[in-house]
Amino acid sequence: GEDVEQSLFLSVREGDSSVINCTYTDSSSTYLYWYKQEPGAGLQLLTYIFSNMDMKQDQRLTVLLNKKDKHLSLRIADTQTGDSAIYFCAEAGKSTFGDGTTLTVKP
Amino acid sequence: EPEVTQTPSHQVTQMGQEVILRCVPISNHLYFYWYRQILGQKVEFLVSFYNNEISEKSEIFDDQFSVERPDGSNFTLKIRSTKLEDSAMYFCASSERWQGNYGYTFGSGTRLTVV
Repeated sequence: GEDVEQSLFLSVREGDSSVINCTYTDSSSTYLYWYKQEPGAGLQLLTYIFSNMDMKQDQRLTVLLNKKDKHLSLRIADTQTGDSAIYFCAEAGKSTFGDGTTLTVKP
Repeated sequence: EPEVTQTPSHQVTQMGQEVILRCVPISNHLYFYWYRQILGQKVEFLVSFYNNEISEKSEIFDDQFSVERPDGSNFTLKIRSTKLEDSAMYFCASSERWQGNYGYTFGSGTRLTVV
């Protein structure tokens, strides 16, 4: 199938790093995305990685891609309370989003 | 920064009534999508649209649903006879390409409440 799987919940303390994990099924995906959804809002594209890369850094965000294991992760450094949201990974050209990981940042 | 605009932000309708949800995608985008999210659940794909026709649809997108691009700017989702279980947030999205480094741009959603 075309399932994208994520753990559902993550809780961290402000200032810590957060790591959100995702596994996907289609090895032909060329782009993989992370979206953020704040309460009551739409999905906002946070970052993406092209499939020929294994790492991408964008300010506090680091995306790691392990194509062999079809594993994608998003690391947020120095997590802030404003980072509390649901994070979805998605494959380009596919209709499937993961279940989303709810990140709770405690002060 | 270009946005996808959805109207209305909240729609309340009686069961059995027809509703039309409206979206204005980003002007140079060619691919358009509707997703829905029932409260507390995952984001579910409904339909994608390209070159004035449906390119893909999910099992959710049955005969009660239809999409239309009536002019050069609007993209609408019609639910012919709403059911209680249609209550959800409906998100429109658009993209410049089928795959690409910009992903999809989503609107803020329309909250549909069927009573």
